[in-house]
Amino acid sequence: NAGVTQTPKFQVLKTGQSMTLQCAQDMNHEYMSWYRQDPGMGLRLIHYSVGAGITDQGEVPNGYNVSRSTTEDFPLRLLSAAPSQTSVYFCASTASGEKQFFGPGTRLTVL
Amino acid sequence: GNSVTQMEGPVTLSEEAFLTINCTYTATGYPSLFWYVQYPGEGLQLLLKATKADDKGSNKGFEATYRKETTSFHLEKGSVQVSDSAVYFCALSPNSGGSNYKLTFGKGTLLTVNP
Repeated sequence: NAGVTQTPKFQVLKTGQSMTLQCAQDMNHEYMSWYRQDPGMGLRLIHYSVGAGITDQGEVPNGYNVSRSTTEDFPLRLLSAAPSQTSVYFCASTASGEKQFFGPGTRLTVL
Repeated sequence: GNSVTQMEGPVTLSEEAFLTINCTYTATGYPSLFWYVQYPGEGLQLLLKATKADDKGSNKGFEATYRKETTSFHLEKGSVQVSDSAVYFCALSPNSGGSNYKLTFGKGTLLTVNP
């Protein structure tokens, strides 16, 4: 099992550009989540999904879109990047009663 | 809403010292509580968890007890090693033993252990 994989590892964007952060898991987990990690803020939940076709907002959803067309994939889209979205992004997956598995993260800088 | 407050860092200790990182929470119902560890340049790994009051989670010499009366889940280790240097996060899930996909995290505590 590869676990939770994220691409890219690093990305630099200019203000206003759009991009998609990829997340995939091969553990057949029904639940997937996106978090952002900022210095001194811990991790904050952006969006989550409880199964294919079902997504919902977390604590800080503004400026981000998600979709879940398959169990394995949960991409995070930045519609129009802003410097405030400079952060490290973590994807995670879990199944009922199990721990969350985190990906290695994507470090995003918006200039 | 739910919230987690943990001890501000950084914490610097000498090898074999005793470690305590305080964590308190605010939540409705019966949350599950977790400690995650993040080594430099890596993602988060679950260190230990407790799903109901008075449960003690333990792993790799670390322990934490779920205290509902004080809404706390303090992390302790009797003798730290240099390899324990990392950032530690306290977190809660609103589900008791269920699906932990909506975690609320504390801000993290950086621990540095010197030889």
